[in-house]
Amino acid sequence: DTEVTQTPKHLVMGMTNKKSLKCEQHMGHRAMYWYKQKAKKPPELMFVYSYEKLSINESVPSRFSPECPNSSLLNLHLHALQPEDSALYLCASSLDRGGQPQHFGDGTRLSIL
Amino acid sequence: GQNIDQPTEMTATEGAIVQINCTYQTSGFNGLFWYQQHAGEAPTFLSYNVLDGLEEKGRFSSFLSRSKGYSYLLLKELQMKDSASYLCVLHGSGAGSYQLTFGKGTKLSVIP
Repeated sequence: DTEVTQTPKHLVMGMTNKKSLKCEQHMGHRAMYWYKQKAKKPPELMFVYSYEKLSINESVPSRFSPECPNSSLLNLHLHALQPEDSALYLCASSLDRGGQPQHFGDGTRLSIL
Repeated sequence: GQNIDQPTEMTATEGAIVQINCTYQTSGFNGLFWYQQHAGEAPTFLSYNVLDGLEEKGRFSSFLSRSKGYSYLLLKELQMKDSASYLCVLHGSGAGSYQLTFGKGTKLSVIP
């Protein structure tokens, strides 16, 4: 179990569906992250939020839309995804910028039909 | 840019010691992390080196040499549960201080 909670753990959706991934932490961390991880590859950074503001978007397609409603919550809204978007989506948080480790959630395993 | 190299796979015997090496090229970084990731699970933080030298934490130790662009993770008294991927990760500096650059990971198999 980790201190970063992600729901759902598994998600299967069609290419026309709209769904959302959720991430929650109550460690008082002010930086939150979305990563995408394909099998046998390291995580790839998608988005970074700092103090509830989007600070980094790693050229992610617009079919992925992040949202940070408050300092504890991070969402990733999904729409019109492609089969190649099937992957493990990891949320992480850290206290702030600087030498703080990022703590990862268990991830949502997403399959696009 | 940043480039990180680490062996793809290693095998070691239960109870033994194993050293996982990592070399990197970068124009600047705050520090270097090691993460452990079991198959299908989230990465978990193991260690963070900012200064040169050895950081020890129980059965795990990590070493950094900035001048040589080199780090290693040392695992002692190996247990079967240590079978996992070990990720060498650079922590960016300046405008990139939020960013982690991951190596491709070393898959460690511990055998009886």
